[in-house]
Amino acid sequence: GDSVTQMEGPVTLSEEAFLTINCTYTATGYPSLFWYVQYPGEGLQLLLKATKADDKGSNKGFEATYRKETTSFHLEKGSVQVSDSAVYFCALSPFSGGYNKLIFGAGTRLAVHP
Amino acid sequence: DTGVSQNPRHKITKRGQNVTFRCDPISEHNRLYWYRQTLGQGPEFLTYFQNEAQLEKSRLLSDRFSAERPKGSFSTLEIQRTEQGDSAMYLCASSPTGSAISGANVLTFGAGSRLTVL
Repeated sequence: GDSVTQMEGPVTLSEEAFLTINCTYTATGYPSLFWYVQYPGEGLQLLLKATKADDKGSNKGFEATYRKETTSFHLEKGSVQVSDSAVYFCALSPFSGGYNKLIFGAGTRLAVHP
Repeated sequence: DTGVSQNPRHKITKRGQNVTFRCDPISEHNRLYWYRQTLGQGPEFLTYFQNEAQLEKSRLLSDRFSAERPKGSFSTLEIQRTEQGDSAMYLCASSPTGSAISGANVLTFGAGSRLTVL
């Protein structure tokens, strides 16, 4: 079945460091791909998305490119801030003309230190 | 627009008791979803409503679980005869009608209801 695999955390970085969180997926057809972020005590928030191969999603300095050939959707940010500390979830929505059923990875915790 | 609201935020109960969680979606959203998130894991899909119709249920949703959305607005998730394995965060999300292909129907999540079964 469809699945998402993320790199295990926690990822610990100093402020202004470069961030990569790896995400690969297994799916039939052409899924949509998402990154969600969960700050402590808050609900999941959509960070960015891409709906077809070679699309690049971007938001708040974060970027991810939908790579069909490597079935990947790695999250990157050039310079992280302490406020980026959170849990990041990669997710896919199976190819469908209907509703958006999400399949999530296990999440990667990011801790950014000053 | 106050977002997706879930109540209670935290429920502690003894094994064998029944619990009910409520979700109030964004008012103009037709679609409503329930997910379960256990510690250290990503959310897992439980069920989905289009207006008042429950259109899909995961195998995770045993016969002790029931979800309703009687008037196509708020939804309830009831767990009967709770077990310790039911301890988790129960997340509700809503989305407008739209194509998943276009990405138009992006989910908005509530903060969740945490269940602890003693």
